[in-house]
Amino acid sequence: KQEVTQIPAALSVPEGENLVLNCSFTDSAIYNLQWFRQDPGKGLTSLLLIQSSQREQTSGRLNASLDKSSGRSTLYIAASQPGDSATYLCAVIYNQGGKLIFGQGTELSVKP
Amino acid sequence: DTEVTQTPKHLVMGMTNKKSLKCEQHMGHRAMYWYKQKAKKPPELMFVYSYEKLSINESVPSRFSPECPNSSLLNLHLHALQPEDSALYLCASSQNLAGAYNEQFFGPGTRLTVL
Repeated sequence: KQEVTQIPAALSVPEGENLVLNCSFTDSAIYNLQWFRQDPGKGLTSLLLIQSSQREQTSGRLNASLDKSSGRSTLYIAASQPGDSATYLCAVIYNQGGKLIFGQGTELSVKP
Repeated sequence: DTEVTQTPKHLVMGMTNKKSLKCEQHMGHRAMYWYKQKAKKPPELMFVYSYEKLSINESVPSRFSPECPNSSLLNLHLHALQPEDSALYLCASSQNLAGAYNEQFFGPGTRLTVL
């Protein structure tokens, strides 16, 4: 069964810390992996998409890596800010035209 | 224009009502999606349209009826819903279903309450 797991479920850090969010998937034959953030009651905002042939993507203070052989992706957030507080979701597509399989998310709280 | 819009923002309906949710994008995307999200859970895929044709139906009950009248517009028609159908309904779009063009962009959602 193709599953996506995110650990931890919740994380609280002081402002300014660098942090890493983890995502693991059971089947290494992925097509794409996408990271999203979701604020309470809102839609999802796409942060980064990594294709299966790529190892990482960067956008501003965010860096996402992909290691297919170990079935893992990490989202690195540098110099965290209170505005980064949200739920972060990792999602995997296993084949072209297939559906996004989501992890349960990590709820991040950055304290001033 | 890089956004997906959804109307209405909130909807309250009775179990005998018929209502519709609307989603629009003007990014030239040819794939559009409907998701359902319950509180504290990730989104669950309901339907995928590719080039205005239904590509995936995740065994959704027939009381939910999707429609894609053109490449910019996606509707979800609702009829005889149950209270357990109350959720946040999210629409998304992507350029198409291939490779990096599969990056999905989501709308803000419609909060549906069924009484």
